[in-house]
Amino acid sequence: QVQLVESGGGLVKPGGTLRLSCVASGFTFRDYYMSWIRQAPGKGLEWISDISSSGYTINYVDSVKGRFTLSRDNAKNSLYLQMSSLRVEDTAVYYCARVWGLDYMDVWGKGTTVTVSS
Amino acid sequence: DIQMTQSPSSVSASVGDRVTLTCRASQDIGTLLAWYQQKPGKAPKLLIYAASSLQSGVPSRFSGSGSGTDFTFTVSSLQPEDFATYYCQQANSFPRTFGQGTKVEIK
Repeated sequence: QVQLVESGGGLVKPGGTLRLSCVASGFTFRDYYMSWIRQAPGKGLEWISDISSSGYTINYVDSVKGRFTLSRDNAKNSLYLQMSSLRVEDTAVYYCARVWGLDYMDVWGKGTTVTVSS
Repeated sequence: DIQMTQSPSSVSASVGDRVTLTCRASQDIGTLLAWYQQKPGKAPKLLIYAASSLQSGVPSRFSGSGSGTDFTFTVSSLQPEDFATYYCQQANSFPRTFGQGTKVEIK
């Protein structure tokens, strides 16, 4: 079945780095844009980035520009989010999602938790 | 950035009730709007896309309407499994933005 599985979350100190991964299965990964969305504890959803099917076009929300880097490896059906200069306010559950029709997130992973704390 | 404002923030309702939620965009987004349902500890689920199109497999008691800046989401007859938080999301421009959510609670 169509599935996304995130990994790589954990506890990191402010200023630290972390790399999240998302492995896709059950669909042709290289045909889809992919996205990351996060949710801080008790808060709403925040879209943070997406990447085109080829990997050539990437969009970021301003709050992570210059700190987060999104990439993909279509041969490995994998999406990566390299996070650096992490801040306390980056603490959240990070969801990987498939972008359908270039506009909407129709398949979501279960999420991976990132905690930034000293 | 386009701001999405949902109202109310929460609503109490009973099984069988008709519930209508609203979402307002800070600028014209045409019909580039989606609605998601999220239950505690779970990932969001896409229910409605393009403002009024029902995602495959989603029950027909869910519906959406609107265009431009004002949108509504309706559950025609609330079921026990519908108690959740609902988010709207605009797809007109980057960054994609979500409303703050409406929590549908049991009365």
